[in-house]
Amino acid sequence: QVQLQESGPGLVTPSGTLSLTCAVSDDFVNSINWWNWVRQPPGKGLEWIGEIFHNGNTHYNPSLQSRLTISIDNSKSEFSLKLTSVTAADTAIYYCARWVRPADYFDSWGPGTLVTVSS
Amino acid sequence: DIQMTQSPSSLSASVGDRVTITCRASQSITTSLNWYQQTPGKAPKVLIYDASTLQSGVPSRFSGSASGTDFTLTISTLQPEDFATYYCQQSYNIPYTFGQGTKLDIK
Repeated sequence: QVQLQESGPGLVTPSGTLSLTCAVSDDFVNSINWWNWVRQPPGKGLEWIGEIFHNGNTHYNPSLQSRLTISIDNSKSEFSLKLTSVTAADTAIYYCARWVRPADYFDSWGPGTLVTVSS
Repeated sequence: DIQMTQSPSSLSASVGDRVTITCRASQSITTSLNWYQQTPGKAPKVLIYDASTLQSGVPSRFSGSASGTDFTLTISTLQPEDFATYYCQQSYNIPYTFGQGTKLDIK
């Protein structure tokens, strides 16, 4: 069973940049799966952020695309999220997750990390 | 974006009850529909994918079905560990979108 673990600052100031990394115990390079970020504001529902393939191809949620960058480091089996110009509306639990192909669903998730946007 | 609408938003039931949760897509998504269970403080866990395929290790009391743009998750005999929040999610196209969730609690 693949393991995922998010890491990064738990507090970000408004207008700053939110940066998170997900460490994965899986073979990125030989995987046909996609690596995703999903977020959940406290007490609310789930929102898909975006995904990346091991070759660097990405898909982003249009609602976040102008502020979002997802990158991958195959040598470290990690992928990362950067979200710029954050506001309080970006306060959420951020999950990294594996999207399995061709079945097309999230089969493994990290435990999640709470990021609060506040001064 | 494809909108996913779940009903009800909340539901009270007793151990042993049969429960059905519905999810409606704003357009045709064929059978590209997944169901997740989330307990407090935990990440979601997949129960059903492709509308009706039970994920390995998930109890057989969970089942899913599809009819056009309407999808249902049924729990045949509620167990204490089933009290949680359930989300549907479409995998038909990007951006992947979730329903707003159905919170199932103990009556």
